[in-house]
Amino acid sequence: EVQLVESGGGLVQPGGSLRLSCEASAVTFSSYWMSWVRQAPGKGLEWVANIKEDGREKNYVDSVKGRFTISRDNAKNSLYLQMNSLRAEDTAVYYCAREGNTGDGWDYWGQGTLVTVSS
Amino acid sequence: SYELTQPPSVSVSPGQTAIITCSGDKLGERYTCWYQQKPGQSPVLVIYQDTKRPSGIPERFSGSNSGNTATLTISGTQAMDDADYFCQAWDSSTAWVFGGGTKLTVL
Repeated sequence: EVQLVESGGGLVQPGGSLRLSCEASAVTFSSYWMSWVRQAPGKGLEWVANIKEDGREKNYVDSVKGRFTISRDNAKNSLYLQMNSLRAEDTAVYYCAREGNTGDGWDYWGQGTLVTVSS
Repeated sequence: SYELTQPPSVSVSPGQTAIITCSGDKLGERYTCWYQQKPGQSPVLVIYQDTKRPSGIPERFSGSNSGNTATLTISGTQAMDDADYFCQAWDSSTAWVFGGGTKLTVL
């Protein structure tokens, strides 16, 4: 069974940094775009960033540009999100998800990891 | 930036039909997907390419998309369908966009 497992969340002070990881198993990781999505407490889903299969193309939501960096290591079946200059409004559960082909939707999601930015 | 608008809440009685809408400029020209999310759980894909159901999703879930509105219809709604539902689409300038979500209450 395909699994995506996130890790790296926790409590961090404003201005601090965290690196999230997402490890994939039982899936052809390297053949898919991957995304990070976040959900603030009691709020909706917000797409954060995605990365092409080979890592050569990346996209970010405006609110994280210049602060967050998405990357991947296909040899390790792993996706990463480096988060710098964290703000209170970045507090959320962060999910990694596998993007399907055009229009196919995202069929696999991790369980999420909570990031809390607070002093 | 591109936006998708959903009603915050929809209520339905068990066995009745629930209709959840998602509105966006020329949304009918884009593929729309729908996700179900229950408290404390990750989202689950229930509709893709506007109308298709992934394997394992009950037939009572259906979708349509035309003009500026995509619709998720749940026929014969069951108590287990009580959840939040999010629509999703791709925009070339905004990238991935989610609707604000609709809380479906099965009374």
